[in-house]
Amino acid sequence: GAGVSQTPSNKVTEKGKYVELRCDPISGHTALYWYRQSLGQGPEFLIYFQGTGAADDSGLPNDRFFAVRPEGSVSTLKIQRTERGDSAVYLCASRIGGRDTGELFFGEGSRLTVL
Amino acid sequence: AQSVAQPEDQVNVAEGNPLTVKCTYSVSGNPYLFWYVQYPNRGLQFLLKYITGDNLVKGSYGFEAEFNKSQTSFHLKKPSALVSDSALYFCAVRDKGSGAGSYQLTFGKGTKLSVIP
Repeated sequence: GAGVSQTPSNKVTEKGKYVELRCDPISGHTALYWYRQSLGQGPEFLIYFQGTGAADDSGLPNDRFFAVRPEGSVSTLKIQRTERGDSAVYLCASRIGGRDTGELFFGEGSRLTVL
Repeated sequence: AQSVAQPEDQVNVAEGNPLTVKCTYSVSGNPYLFWYVQYPNRGLQFLLKYITGDNLVKGSYGFEAEFNKSQTSFHLKKPSALVSDSALYFCAVRDKGSGAGSYQLTFGKGTKLSVIP
């Protein structure tokens, strides 16, 4: 597609449930990032993929959070045993790999609400 | 560790007046600096970046920013504000240094710009 696509755009779930958020990056972009944006805050780094591998997952808050990118394109962010504090907008971004000075292109985000 | 400070939560400016949105940063090495804009219910959009070279960087929609190494600042400016510029603006920094962590882009908390007709 023309831009970064994220689904679902909105997800409401109950505390303790499992959630998957999907990101389809711009075609040809090998670098992919997940960020989390809480209300009134700037985006907070979660994880960075270069190709299929997670090159930096230092931003994942705990082991309930996990992300995969098995074929080097689409990525899924997985949250187990959701908590109310996980409520936020989860942003995905991609960048042309090899041009590490390149800007990130963001999707519109998946808004997660944990009741 | 790298960080960004945007000291103003909100900036109000009259249409047609110049605007400035402030940003200061901290990195251990040399910085890559970025400005993004976020309109309501939309994703972040890239405005401009400083990588190297001329300290004055020009970007989209008539915006520009000046890199000041001694003051560790990268303020966003526009000579004449439009009502349509009203949005949330984020400054971001990356360290040029090597290592996996250097690919992290660290964002400020954002500044809400309101341009008053």
